Formats: sequence, C-alpha cells, structure tokens
Amino acid sequence: GAGVSQSPRYKVAKRGQDVALRCDPISGHVSLFWYQQALGQGPEFLTYFQNEAQLDKSGLPSDRFFAERPEGSVSTLKIQRTQQEDSAVYLCASKISGSFTDTQYFGPGTRLTVL
Amino acid sequence: AQSVTQLDSQVPVFEEAPVELRCNYSSSVSVYLFWYVQYPNQGLQLLLKYLSGSTLVKGINGFEAEFNKSQTSFHLRKPSVHISDTAEYFCAVSDGSGGSYIPTFGRGTSLIVHP
Repeated sequence: GAGVSQSPRYKVAKRGQDVALRCDPISGHVSLFWYQQALGQGPEFLTYFQNEAQLDKSGLPSDRFFAERPEGSVSTLKIQRTQQEDSAVYLCASKISGSFTDTQYFGPGTRLTVL
Repeated sequence: AQSVTQLDSQVPVFEEAPVELRCNYSSSVSVYLFWYVQYPNQGLQLLLKYLSGSTLVKGINGFEAEFNKSQTSFHLRKPSVHISDTAEYFCAVSDGSGGSYIPTFGRGTSLIVHP
C-alpha cells in the first residue's frame, strides 16, 4: 500500500509569512509524529498525535508552531510568521498503534527554506 | 535524560569491505535502540531495532547491530558493503523516561562507499 506522503515537498517562504505543511499517514495508522531535521542533524521531535488527540507537543520550539489532526488521519503543521531559523526538513511519521514497539514509517519530508 | 552520540560524521569505505558505524547512548534506565537509514531526498527507513532478548540484532539489507550494555553501545555492522549502501545512518534511543517513548536521534553518520 501507499506509504506516508507529505506535501509540498519543497516550500520557499519569505520571512514573516505563514506556511502549512501536510502529512498523509498510512491508512489506519493511529499514531502520527512530526520531526524537524536541520541540515546535518538528526530528526528532532516536535509533536505526537494518537488519533485526533495531541498527546505531546513538548518539542514545538515556540508558539508560532501549531499542529492539528482533526479527524485522526491527515495532519497539518502550521508555522506562523516564519523566521530563518525555521529552515529545515519537516518529517512526518506514522505507526499502526500507540505501542512503542511498533515501527515508525517516515514520509519523504518537506524542505522549508525561509528567505 | 536520554542522548545518543554517533562518533563518526563520515565513514568512507571501499565496496565489498566491512564497515562499522558507531553509536553510544546515555540513559539511566532500560533502553530501546534503533538504526535508521536515509537515502537522499527520502524519509528514514528502519534498519533494525533492539527491544529485549538477544543482544545481536539482524536487520534488513545484511546489516546487524550488537547491544552492549556495559559499554552503552549499539554499533551497526555489515560484512561487505555495496555502492547502494551509500546513505545517511541514524542511531536512536528510547527509554520511556517520563512515560514517553519518543526517540532521540543522533546526528547521523554518512556512509560513503567507493567502487
């Protein structure tokens, strides 16, 4: 079946603009994660959903970052008033259940460049 | 708090030679360990994971890793690499601290296989 998809794949924004990044998880997957991957770094956790409930948002770097998953499937990560330090690849991952032993499946990411 | 150190940022090797990518972790409780591979412009793919049991874990594409609790290491090995193994490799640890099993990733090791 289809894997995790993300759109757009590339996004260029001017500083101060708002952006919205979309994640389509694997159908039926309960858990969904967002990560931020800066150039030359490993992914860093942003937030986690189980169905529509946002169970952990401790990794969101500021109140400019907001994520939602209103129907428990597609998720959107929104960044308001983008800054240059927001430039990174934003990865989405999903898991079939809430168990920590399950495998996370990653999407290809959205590369955000803030000018 | 959990943390991961990947000691080598880049590992060059010739095709058909053996390779070891090093990973050390820091955690005060039981840990769960993962290795992921990331090909250019793609998301992360799970190579293997250690949850419990045998300390030697076999994964996909001929890779294996050994959990060494006394040395707090989880090094990744392959006896004979191929050109197609050229990619970025990430080690990750999850220890359930605070009730969360969100993984912490290392900075990554770039494996470069030369013909």
